[in-house]
Amino acid sequence: GAGVSQSPSNKVTEKGKDVELRCDPISGHTALYWYRQSLGQGLEFLIYFQGNSAPDKSGLPSDRFSAERTGGSVSTLTIQRTQQEDSAVYLCASSLGVVAGGGQETQYFGPGTRLLVL
Amino acid sequence: EDKVVQSPLSLVVHEGDTVTLNCSYEVTNFRSLLWYKQEKKAPTFLFMLTSSGIEKKSGRLSSILDKKELFSILNITATQTGDSAIYLCAVEGNNNNDMRFGAGTRLTVKP
Repeated sequence: GAGVSQSPSNKVTEKGKDVELRCDPISGHTALYWYRQSLGQGLEFLIYFQGNSAPDKSGLPSDRFSAERTGGSVSTLTIQRTQQEDSAVYLCASSLGVVAGGGQETQYFGPGTRLLVL
Repeated sequence: EDKVVQSPLSLVVHEGDTVTLNCSYEVTNFRSLLWYKQEKKAPTFLFMLTSSGIEKKSGRLSSILDKKELFSILNITATQTGDSAIYLCAVEGNNNNDMRFGAGTRLTVKP
């Protein structure tokens, strides 16, 4: 079956513009995660959705970042008034959810969107 | 099409055992291979490998890359229960500049 897909694969924008990144999770996966990977950095957690709600938004770096998920499926990550430090690969992952006992289901990652803010 | 395959998908061992996790890949214009440990939310970075044959070590963990045979292994010696996690392998290419993740290996270390 199809894996996690993200679009666009690459996005070049000017400083100050808004961008919207899209993630299509694997069908049936209730959990969805957004991360970003900056050059030379590890994966940085941004936000986690369980269904349409986001119980954990702790990783969003500023109020310019927001995300939503509708219909328990597609999610969009919006970055307003982009800055050069927002340049990174934005990764989306989905999973079946959290297993009993607080464990972690395997997350399946999309190919990412590489964002370059000039 | 670029792909990353990890094996085994799941592994159960006892404390003190040594484990070897495998990651094979096919990617256009390889740039680097990364290993992560995932316990809770964000995967924790372990190693980045770019050159063949050079072992990277961090405590009981070590990893090596073979660019000719297109695979990497992650070794964990003297395993502890705290090593229980999902270990992810990801490969970066120079073409689309994206990262491809494997499905992960779920390691369970029993006391």
